[in-house]
Amino acid sequence: RKEVEQDPGPFNVPEGATVAFNCTYSNSASQSFFWYRQDCRKEPKLLMSVYSSGNEDGRFTAQLNRASQYISLLIRDSKLSDSATYLCVVLDSWGKFQFGAGTQVVVTP
Amino acid sequence: GAVVSQHPSWVICKSGTSVKIECRSLDFQATTMFWYRQFPKQSLMLMATSNEGSKATYEQGVEKDKFLINHASLTLSTLTVTSAHPEDSSFYICSARHPGLEGGEQFFGPGTRLTVL
Repeated sequence: RKEVEQDPGPFNVPEGATVAFNCTYSNSASQSFFWYRQDCRKEPKLLMSVYSSGNEDGRFTAQLNRASQYISLLIRDSKLSDSATYLCVVLDSWGKFQFGAGTQVVVTP
Repeated sequence: GAVVSQHPSWVICKSGTSVKIECRSLDFQATTMFWYRQFPKQSLMLMATSNEGSKATYEQGVEKDKFLINHASLTLSTLTVTSAHPEDSSFYICSARHPGLEGGEQFFGPGTRLTVL
């Protein structure tokens, strides 16, 4: 079983709509959680860290559910520039990043 | 966010040659850097953890004699792919953890696309 699992998508989202997707992790001792964004043939870029209380950054909202071991990302008022692959990343108890395979989001005009 | 650079951004080489990739943290000192490899449509896979002043820690299945890592200073780590073969063609990405951030965020270099003919 993979450490971090994500729905690969693609999620086809009309411009202006809301999209949300989850990621599950297997190690209950995981320490920190992040969403990274990766554009095609580019490096991952930190989108936001995910805190237990949930956090919001503009149109992006992240939630962490430790009991069920999942994190979520919600994108409101989707822009064409939001099209990318969103990587769920978990910092495990050994201090290593565990990556999900990514969820592809395609925002259409 | 913190800035990490990589050089070269792409390289094409003949089978059997060695390729050296540099990773630099530009605005902070990084005692630990990480080297990843990503094949098309797959996630990043950690190859090794590069520790300044000591030997790198390799992940299971990664040959340390083939992928030589040197972390000679607090701002520079290098990965040398020795005797490269076509199956080594991949996207190699380094990252560094900013010491001032307690959350453990890593910042990634722009990656090096290696093509071995």
